[in-house]
Parts: sequence; C-alpha cells; structure tokens
Amino acid sequence: EAGVAQSPRYKIIEKRQSVAFWCNPISGHATLYWYQQILGQGPKLLIQFQNNGVVDDSQLPKDRFSAERLKGVDSTLKIQPAKLEDSAVYLCASSLVVNTEAFFGQGTRLTVV
Amino acid sequence: KQEVTQIPAALSVPEGENLVLNCSFTDSAIYNLQWFRQDPGKGLTSLLLIQSSQREQTSGRLNASLDKSSGRSTLYIAASQPGDSATYLCAVKRGTSGSRLTFGEGTQLTVNP
Repeated sequence: EAGVAQSPRYKIIEKRQSVAFWCNPISGHATLYWYQQILGQGPKLLIQFQNNGVVDDSQLPKDRFSAERLKGVDSTLKIQPAKLEDSAVYLCASSLVVNTEAFFGQGTRLTVV
Repeated sequence: KQEVTQIPAALSVPEGENLVLNCSFTDSAIYNLQWFRQDPGKGLTSLLLIQSSQREQTSGRLNASLDKSSGRSTLYIAASQPGDSATYLCAVKRGTSGSRLTFGEGTQLTVNP
C-alpha cells in the first residue's frame, strides 16, 4: 500500500514570497490533516479535512495560510506572504476515517530567509 | 485545552538496555493515544495505537500502556538497539468526533553501540 505522498521535500523562499505544498493521501482515506512542526517542537494541527469539507481550522493563520482539498483526494496548502517564523516542516497525514490511526508523509521542509 | 508532556526530553542509553518513555496528558477524556517515531529529516512513523478502552498494545520489542484515569502512557522498549535512535512522540485524540491529535514535544533517544 502506497503511503502519504508530499511534494516538494524541501523549499527555500524569501520572506513575503508565496509557496504551495501538495499532498496525496493514502487511497480511500477520508480524513486529511496538515500539521506544522517547528524545530524542536511537536507537530501542531493547521487544518483537518473530512472528504472535501473542513472539520477544524482553528489554528490556521487564515490571513496568510489557505488550504483546499478538491474532490476529497489531493490537498494543497498555500502560504502567502511567507514570514520568517513560517520556517518549519509541514506534514500531511491521512486516516481512513476521523478517529482511526493516522499515517504521515515525509513532510516538506520550508526555510524562509 | 489538552496539553501533552513527554519526559525526559532526551535520553542516552547503552545498547541492550530496556527503557521507558513517559507521556502525560491533562484531559483524561481521550479517544485514543498514538506513539510515533521520527527520524531526523523524516516524517512520523506510527508505532502503536491504543484505544481508550485498552490498557496496552504490543508490537515486537515495543509495549505501550495507557492509564486514562491518571493521564499517563508509557512506551517500553526492550533490548534497545542503535537503530532505535530517533525522536519518539506521543499524541492524544480527544473523545469527541473529529477532534485533533495533540502532540507532545517528543523524547530524543540515542542508543549507543
């Protein structure tokens, strides 16, 4: 079974630029999560989708972050404009349904300079 | 608000030792608890998932226990090996549908040959 796929693996941008990350969850998984992990900290949920609907985006900085999950499969996370403090690893995860085991992708390491 | 704490933050042991990693959480009304492993620069690998009705789960040399009433979980690693070196994260899911995984900050384990 293929795992959660994320791209790109690494990205370096200047502050105030925009960036987008892509995630393809495990086939058949209805729930998709985006987490932000700052160096030395545990992951923090940014947004959670159930199919193509948003379940929880309470910790998403909506003035600069946006996410979508068209057709309930792939998802993109966008940051515009980026700030230095957005430097982190962005992890995508999926689960079969909302309260089952979550599986994570390799993450995208973003560096904002 | 659920808070998850992991102690110790870092641990260094000689190869072959049995060891225990600790996780505590403030809200005992959890749905499940999941232990993950994270290698440097990589995503999270799910190790064990314990449902709130369970007391423990085992996989190979790993055993995780859960005591909901006291808000604690432990991950026991038997006969540690250098390949076990990684950061270990625990995460809890609240007892409501659609709730997020809340992570601790992890224990960085080094097993010395």
